[in-house]
Formats: sequence, C-alpha cells, structure tokens
Amino acid sequence: EPEVTQTPSHQVTQMGQEVILRCVPISNHLYFYWYRQILGQKVEFLVSFYNNEISEKSEIFDDQFSVERPDGSNFTLKIRSTKLEDSAMYFCASSFPGTGGIEQYFGPGTRLTVT
Amino acid sequence: DQQVKQNSPSLSVQEGRISILNCDYTNSMFDYFLWYKKYPAEGPTFLISISSIKDKNEDGRFTVFLNKSAKHLSLHIVPSQPGDSAVYFCAASAQGANSKLTFGKGITLSVRP
Repeated sequence: EPEVTQTPSHQVTQMGQEVILRCVPISNHLYFYWYRQILGQKVEFLVSFYNNEISEKSEIFDDQFSVERPDGSNFTLKIRSTKLEDSAMYFCASSFPGTGGIEQYFGPGTRLTVT
Repeated sequence: DQQVKQNSPSLSVQEGRISILNCDYTNSMFDYFLWYKKYPAEGPTFLISISSIKDKNEDGRFTVFLNKSAKHLSLHIVPSQPGDSAVYFCAASAQGANSKLTFGKGITLSVRP
C-alpha cells in the first residue's frame, strides 16, 4: 500500500541553524501539507501546497518557514533559523481528492529537537 | 482556539465490548469530519470519515455518527480489540479539497484483554 515517507526520523539541531525536513508524498497525490505537534499539544496545521504554490498557511508559518517541491517526488519544509520552540514532531501529509472525500494521509513524522 | 474538542482524555474498555469516542465542534463551516488513529512514534493513520450531508458512515468494525444540530460526532468500535489501543484524533475540515484539518487533542483508548 502506498505511503508517505519522511526523512530524517529524528533531527537534532542548534538554535539558529537551518533545517530541511523531507517528505515523499504518495505518488499520485496532488495536495501536500505540513503539520506539527508540540509534545502534549494538538496536531497543528502549518501549510498546504498545490500546483507548486502555497494554498494556505497558518500564523505559525512565518518568514522563517518555507516549502518547496524541488522535483516530482519530494516535498520539503525548511526552517531558516530554528528556535527552541520549533521543537516538535513534524508531519507531512498528502491527499488526492476525488468523489470520496478529502482524506489526508500522514507520514511517520520527523522529531525535531532544537537545543 | 478549541474548534474541535475531545473532552475525555482517555477511555478504557474490555476486549469485545463497544468503544465510543466522542468529539464536539464549534465551527459551523466544517463540512467534513475524520477520525485518525495514532500509535507512539508513528504518524496519524486515517480510519474513517463522514461528510456533513450524512449522519452515519460504517466501515467494518468502525462507525462514525454525526449529529449536526448538536455539532457532535462519535466513533464506535465494535467489537473492541487490544490492537485498537492507541490515541484517536477527531479532525474537521471546511470548504472541500485542499482544506486544512483542525484536530482535537485526542483520546487515549485502552482495550483490556
């Protein structure tokens, strides 16, 4: 069964450093998303992406964040200058809306630890 | 911002019995609702969904009920199995395709053998 994959599974970085989180969405999906979950809190929407541009972004997704689909398979989230509060699980998701609905399929996540 | 609420943090049921997980929402614009299951160190796994034009959707042991007037939905698992032990998230979406999901805090379900 096709699945969303994410790398790395765990990333440790120092405050102020840039990180790139990588995702390979399900191959025939058209919509791509990033969410994050800070320990003990809800899963929160960051950004959605369709047709090579951002569709929607949350207040969390400020100028320090960017997304890119550099080729036909990868979808990346870049944090330019990490802060301690960026420590969280980051989930990539994708969807292929059809007549059935708009279910989003999630990857296993990348645990980002900022020290 | 608690547009999707899962007020019970945990639920424990005996194997073979019914598990009922509840979810409330406040945003009238939500028109699609989903349940996800999550194991530790894994991403949320899609379980079942329901459109606001329906009041029930069933898939095997899982049934979701939607009461729009009460802004309430529930997930029924019958019969419950030990492998169902996980965190269950209710999520909601508005305005169709490419819409963000708004999640509840989740309910930890424990199914006792």
